[in-house]
Amino acid sequence: EVQLVESGGGLVQPGGSLRLSCAASGFTLSSYWMSWVRQAPGKGLECVANIKQDGSVKYYVDSVKGRFTISRDNAKNSLYLQMNSLRAEDTAVYYCARADQYLVPDYWGQGTLVTVSS
Amino acid sequence: DVVMTQSPLSLPVTLGQPASVSCRSSQSLVYSDGNTLLSWFQQRPGQSPRRLIYQVSNRDSGVPDRFSGSGSGTDFTLKISRVEAEDVGVYYCMQTTHWPFTFGPGTKVDIK
Repeated sequence: EVQLVESGGGLVQPGGSLRLSCAASGFTLSSYWMSWVRQAPGKGLECVANIKQDGSVKYYVDSVKGRFTISRDNAKNSLYLQMNSLRAEDTAVYYCARADQYLVPDYWGQGTLVTVSS
Repeated sequence: DVVMTQSPLSLPVTLGQPASVSCRSSQSLVYSDGNTLLSWFQQRPGQSPRRLIYQVSNRDSGVPDRFSGSGSGTDFTLKISRVEAEDVGVYYCMQTTHWPFTFGPGTKVDIK
């Protein structure tokens, strides 16, 4: 059974940093693109970043480019999102998702809430 | 960026009756290999999104056959043939043809 478990969310002040982790199990992480998708409270979904199987290709939405870094450790079955210079508008539930060959999320974690507030 | 629009944004339905959600994109979603990369997701209250349909009309494993997807180019539809209580939630379309990948605003389906 595919399982994705996010951790690392919490309350952080504007300008602060946070590192999200996603523990993957039930499939071979190194065979899949992976994604981070966020959802602001009461709002819709936004695809934030994607990373290729070997980490050689990364895509970021413009609103996080230069502030967020997606990475992975296939040996540890883990995906990460380093978030720096956080803003109030980054407040959201962050979902880790496995992506198919066309980068469509096919399995999602339960999400971790990031709140940016003073 | 490709803008995804959905209608209606709210859809009250009667149990056992059909329901239909429309999704339109600001650009063609035909990928370079000829496939059309439009997917549908269901998000039940308090849950993570779940993929229902990929590449316009392919149902994911375990998705009831009352769900179907159709369309082409820039115009797509999700249909529920007979709505059940467990179908309550928000439905999103998503395109992965053009980066940044974008979702529609969501259609909230509830029971009348």
